[in-house]
Amino acid sequence: AQTVTQSQPEMSVQEAETVTLSCTYDTSESNYYLFWYKQPPSRQMILVIRQEAYKQQNATENRFSVNFQKAAKSFSLKISDSQLGDTAMYFCAFMSYNNNDMRFGAGTRLTVKP
Amino acid sequence: DTAVSQTPKYLVTQMGNDKSIKCEQNLGHDTMYWYKQDSKKFLKIMFSYNNKELIINETVPNRFSPKSPDKAHLNLHINSLELGDSAVYFCASSQLGANLNTEAFFGQGTRLTVV
Repeated sequence: AQTVTQSQPEMSVQEAETVTLSCTYDTSESNYYLFWYKQPPSRQMILVIRQEAYKQQNATENRFSVNFQKAAKSFSLKISDSQLGDTAMYFCAFMSYNNNDMRFGAGTRLTVKP
Repeated sequence: DTAVSQTPKYLVTQMGNDKSIKCEQNLGHDTMYWYKQDSKKFLKIMFSYNNKELIINETVPNRFSPKSPDKAHLNLHINSLELGDSAVYFCASSQLGANLNTEAFFGQGTRLTVV
């Protein structure tokens, strides 16, 4: 089965600054999806951004962008102009094209400080 | 209209009891999942079903039995509850197959507390 590794258990950033969360994964598949999900204290799981593995172009969603390095199996999330509402757990996830098997990293707790 | 709904939202029960958590999705998805989130927030996959067929069963104790009566429902029954079963359980669904907009949609979670 695929594995996803997030090596930063906790991070903090000042409001309005930029922060990058790291994620690496291991798979033998060539086609798959990668995601970043946000989980605020309400515990709701919210999709932040999605990347299809066949696409070379990095996905962006407003203040959120990814650096996808397929050969290195790396998928980092950059949050620009951090806001207090960005404070949450962030999970990196891998989904197989074949059977939608979806695995998560251990999560990074991000705190945005005023 | 909630896309993935699971009930109950909170469940407090005594050790040894049997309980069920229900999940329904109205998105027409083919794949449904159960995840367990422990106190350290780690999300571990327990089961996944594609079109009512069990695809993934991740070394979960036999006391946990999923049931998928149809594609829109995936229930989780737990026998002889133990203290270590206390966690938040998430149901999720996604569309099977290559789909540009694919993502997993999650229910609001069920916080199970075994006392």
